Amino acid sequence: GESVGLHLPTLSVQEGDNSIINCAYSNSASDYFIWYKQESGKGPQFIIDIRSNMDKRQGQRVTVLLNKTVKHLSLQIAATQPGDSAVYFCAENFQGAQKLVFGQGTRLTINP
Amino acid sequence: GAGVSQSPSNKVTEKGKDVELRCDPISGHTALYWYRQSLGQGLEFLIYFQGNSAPDKSGLPSDRFSAERTGGSVSTLTIQRTQQEDSAVYLCASSSQGGGQPQHFGDGTRLSIL
Repeated sequence: GESVGLHLPTLSVQEGDNSIINCAYSNSASDYFIWYKQESGKGPQFIIDIRSNMDKRQGQRVTVLLNKTVKHLSLQIAATQPGDSAVYFCAENFQGAQKLVFGQGTRLTINP
Repeated sequence: GAGVSQSPSNKVTEKGKDVELRCDPISGHTALYWYRQSLGQGLEFLIYFQGNSAPDKSGLPSDRFSAERTGGSVSTLTIQRTQQEDSAVYLCASSSQGGGQPQHFGDGTRLSIL
């Protein structure tokens, strides 16, 4: 079946540095992608989304890049802060479907 | 405004008992989703409600699981004759429409089956 996965299960970054979290997807029919942040004991928090007609989208300190040629999605977090430590999930929405398919998550740790 | 609210936040019960988990979606959101998250894992889709349409139950793992959404707002997920493998965090999300829109999550109900 189709799946969304992450290249690295854990990532450690020095505070103030930039971080990049990667995600691969396999369904070329997916047309909507979301990144979520999940802190311990909390539900996933929406960070940023992107549609398949875009290659890049920027938010506050975050940028999502979509490479449809290689079916790759990434989340860039600039000037990381301790509060950025969390598990990050990518999710995809198949064209015409209603549910999101989530990857397994990457744990980001920001070192002081 | 208020986000998605779930109750209880924690539930401990004995194997074989029935449990009911409640979700209050964001006001005005027509789409409501239930997911299950096992420890250290991603989210597993369970069921989806959209307006007055028949729900998508394709993710329910067994006939012990059922869900209702009354009046297009509050939803209840019921697990009958609970098993230890049902232990997980059950997350509810809502969105303003169906697919192609961000889903906003509650903080979940942590269910532990003894």
